[in-house]
Amino acid sequence: KNEVEQSPQNLTAQEGEFITINCSYSVGISALHWLQQHPGGGIVSLFMLSSGKKKHGRLIATINIQEKHSSLHITASHPRDSAVYICAAAAQGNLIFGKGTKLSVKP
Amino acid sequence: KAGVTQTPRYLIKTRGQQVTLSCSPISGHRSVSWYQQTPGQGLQFLFEYFSETQRNKGNFPGRFSGRQFSNSRSEMNVSTLELGDSALYLCASSWDRPQNTEAFFGQGTRLTVV
Repeated sequence: KNEVEQSPQNLTAQEGEFITINCSYSVGISALHWLQQHPGGGIVSLFMLSSGKKKHGRLIATINIQEKHSSLHITASHPRDSAVYICAAAAQGNLIFGKGTKLSVKP
Repeated sequence: KAGVTQTPRYLIKTRGQQVTLSCSPISGHRSVSWYQQTPGQGLQFLFEYFSETQRNKGNFPGRFSGRQFSNSRSEMNVSTLELGDSALYLCASSWDRPQNTEAFFGQGTRLTVV
């Protein structure tokens, strides 16, 4: 079993829909990162959180340390949100990555 | 402020050869981490350098090595290339440990081994 699991693997949504991507981890962590990767490879850091909730524009990230679970929400999704979203657990001196969720938002 | 720059962007090498990839971090960042991304394994941590010292290393064979210079620029080297080394290699810079501070990623170097 992977130490960091994401679901779903693939997600297709209509523009305007509310999106939720889930991340569960089995290791003790100091922080949880959410990353966005567009075609071509470049990765952008969206959030780093160790407790509670953070919000940037239409993106919201939450984490429940007791349940070892984090969620990334996108409100009013837009085709430009189409990308791969990756969660990464800060543990054991480095980042342990989930396999990613490929999101496609249709106009 | 300039972002993280990786060179080259694309590389094709033959099995058995060696390759060196370069990463220039954001000015002021002293930590540089390297990652390998493949379709099968996803993103995996290779190693992290801070102030010219390797601070942490992932579970990769000794063919993978790296170094960091006094200006924080980092290189990674892969010797005796194998077909399975074909991957996107990403570096990230941060002012301290990448697990506890925001990491800024480069565009990656796509290595193809034939």
